[in-house]
Amino acid sequence: DQQVKQNSPSLSVQEGRISILNCDYTNSMFDYFLWYKKYPAEGPTFLISISSIKDKNEDGRFTVFLNKSAKHLSLHIVPSQPGDSAVYFCAASARVRGAQKLVFGQGTRLTINP
Amino acid sequence: NAGVTQTPKFQVLKTGQSMTLQCAQDMNHNSMYWYRQDPGMGLRLIYYSASEGTTDKGEVPNGYNVSRLNKREFSLRLESAAPSQTSVYFCASSENYSPLHFGNGTRLTVT
Repeated sequence: DQQVKQNSPSLSVQEGRISILNCDYTNSMFDYFLWYKKYPAEGPTFLISISSIKDKNEDGRFTVFLNKSAKHLSLHIVPSQPGDSAVYFCAASARVRGAQKLVFGQGTRLTINP
Repeated sequence: NAGVTQTPKFQVLKTGQSMTLQCAQDMNHNSMYWYRQDPGMGLRLIYYSASEGTTDKGEVPNGYNVSRLNKREFSLRLESAAPSQTSVYFCASSENYSPLHFGNGTRLTVT
C-alpha cells in the first residue's frame, strides 16, 4: 500500500516557465513533508520542506504548498532552469526518538528544455 | 568535509554469497538509515538507528542485518544474497529531526 504517491513519472517544461510537481499521501499522521532532488549516480539532496502547521514554504525559486484536507502537496519551481533537470522525490516524515523515518514517493523525472 | 561515505560503490555477488555495505558520516549525527531504491518504487527504509546503540526495522528488513558500530558508522549485511536484493542502496544520517543527508549509494547486482 503506497502511502506517498507521485502519479506523474515524468514532466517536461520549457526553460523559464513554471514547473509543478505533485504528490499525494494517505496517512494523516504525517506531520512533516520534504522534497529531494536526485541527479544520476548521486544520492538524493534535500531541497525544501514544510510542516503540517503551514500551507506554504518558499525558498528562492522553490515553493512547496500543502493542502492537508486533500492530503496533497506540490512543488513549484519558477523560473525553471536547465540545471533543474533531475528526479524529484517527495517524502513524508514519521518522527521516532530523534530519527526521521521518511516514506518516499516513486519520483518524477523533470526535464527542462532550452 | 565528506558528509556520508559509502563503500563499495559497485558490487556483483552470486546468489548465496554474503557481503557488508559500509557507511560512515562525519557530521556527528545521532541517527543513521539504510534505504534501497528500485525502479518505479522510490526509496524504501530497510533499517535505521535513532542513536548509537539502537537499531530498528524499517519497511523492508527481511534478508538484512545492521550494526551501529559507533556514532560514525552503520553497516548493512546481506547474509545470503538473493536476486531480489539487486538494488541501489543508500545510507543517510540526520540530527534532531533535521532533513536526511544521503551518501552516493552502492549499486549491488546479485546474479
